Amino acid sequence: DVKVTQSSRYLVKRTGEKVFLECVQDMDHENMFWYRQDPGLGLRLIYFSYDVKMKEKGDIPEGYSVSREKKERFSLILESASTNQTSMYLCASSLDTGNTAKTQYFGPGTRLLVL
Amino acid sequence: AQSVTQLDSHVSVSEGTPVLLRCNYSSSYSPSLFWYVQHPNKGLQLLLKYTSAATLVKGINGFEAEFKKSETSFHLTKPSAHMSDAAEYFCVVGNFGNEKLTFGTGTRLTIIP
Repeated sequence: DVKVTQSSRYLVKRTGEKVFLECVQDMDHENMFWYRQDPGLGLRLIYFSYDVKMKEKGDIPEGYSVSREKKERFSLILESASTNQTSMYLCASSLDTGNTAKTQYFGPGTRLLVL
Repeated sequence: AQSVTQLDSHVSVSEGTPVLLRCNYSSSYSPSLFWYVQHPNKGLQLLLKYTSAATLVKGINGFEAEFKKSETSFHLTKPSAHMSDAAEYFCVVGNFGNEKLTFGTGTRLTIIP
């Protein structure tokens, strides 16, 4: 089974702090994704990466950056946390194979509260 | 371009009765369609995936979905609801060659004992 783990289940940070969220997958997947989930808005893509050191902006990249130094690890960085970044953050990975859209496998999520 | 619309934000059914969660999609190409489930404070789990092999797709936990191209729909059904089915369900569309998936806004399923 694919396993995607996230470094924290719950985080509380203060406005202006730098926040790191880490995600690790154990299935040698090429693609990794960061989403935020808010009630009534579904999942919105922040950034994704299709290879080590490669990244692409998603739909809502403002206020976030990412890092992928190793294939199995994808980090989301909030450079200066703000209260409107309070949310549930979900990491996912997918395998780059086949001729159909690729199934994404999700971690358990990190619920971030910014005070 | 691709998009997905979940027609109900909240559905309530009694235990033992059928479940119907509705989803319409829009896609410029032949789509792949997914249903994911999210239990409280958990990540998303794949229920089933349509990839054009068969229009009726069977998933885990007794769920199934039917792809109807003429109606651009991919509704999720289950013959008999169980208390453990209470969760949020997401309809998702994707296309070959595009790494990104597009998620619906979710349908919260409540089961009445």
